[in-house]
Amino acid sequence: QSVLTQPPSVSAAPGQKVTISCSGSTSNIGAYYVSWYLQLPGTAPKLLIYDNNKRPSGIPDRFSGSKSGTSATLAITGLQTGDEADYYCGTWDTSLSAGVFGGGTKLTVL
Amino acid sequence: EVQLVESGGGLVKPGGSLRLSCAASGFTFSSYSMNWVRQAPGKGLEWVSSISSSSSYIYYADSVKGRFTISRDNAKNSLYLQMNSLRAEDTAVYYCARLRSNTVFDFWGQGTLVTVSS
Repeated sequence: QSVLTQPPSVSAAPGQKVTISCSGSTSNIGAYYVSWYLQLPGTAPKLLIYDNNKRPSGIPDRFSGSKSGTSATLAITGLQTGDEADYYCGTWDTSLSAGVFGGGTKLTVL
Repeated sequence: EVQLVESGGGLVKPGGSLRLSCAASGFTFSSYSMNWVRQAPGKGLEWVSSISSSSSYIYYADSVKGRFTISRDNAKNSLYLQMNSLRAEDTAVYYCARLRSNTVFDFWGQGTLVTVSS
């Protein structure tokens, strides 16, 4: 049972937009910035979004993040088959004094 | 170029011990907090432990507290995870990750697989 809650899977057609939600509480998302990570099959996670809505260099602007209260959202526009991967949200939890992740969302581009 | 290279994984019997290492390069290692994150087969990411740049602050997940010990050697640009009293549920790929600004794991190693089985 993950501290942050994500939908197990989402899907959309190529070229379309998809959003992935991440729900937490006042001790984690409500208190800290949220990051998003992309994990392609068989590879290590990679930073996709940090500080709620910033993109590291090299990440296309098709990827965007937002946060409101105790929830965060990752949006991906102009879907490509290469976007098929697992996506995780993460942050720190002040009550647990621990890093926390969502359970991950598998994106399928139909 | 930032590089994190884990080593030390392998097959170990329940109750056994293993020491993981992470060799860092391409950045000033002594300026960053470092973390271990694991991923059981077919499962999601689980944060394991964090150590601050000077080792002053150390945190553990409840699932490993009392069994695992995180440490670092800034002179050798290396991060370690001593794992004792290993259980089957500790079976996972263990990633070393650099932490920036408290909440951002900005670089990850390729991972090392730990299998706990008799």
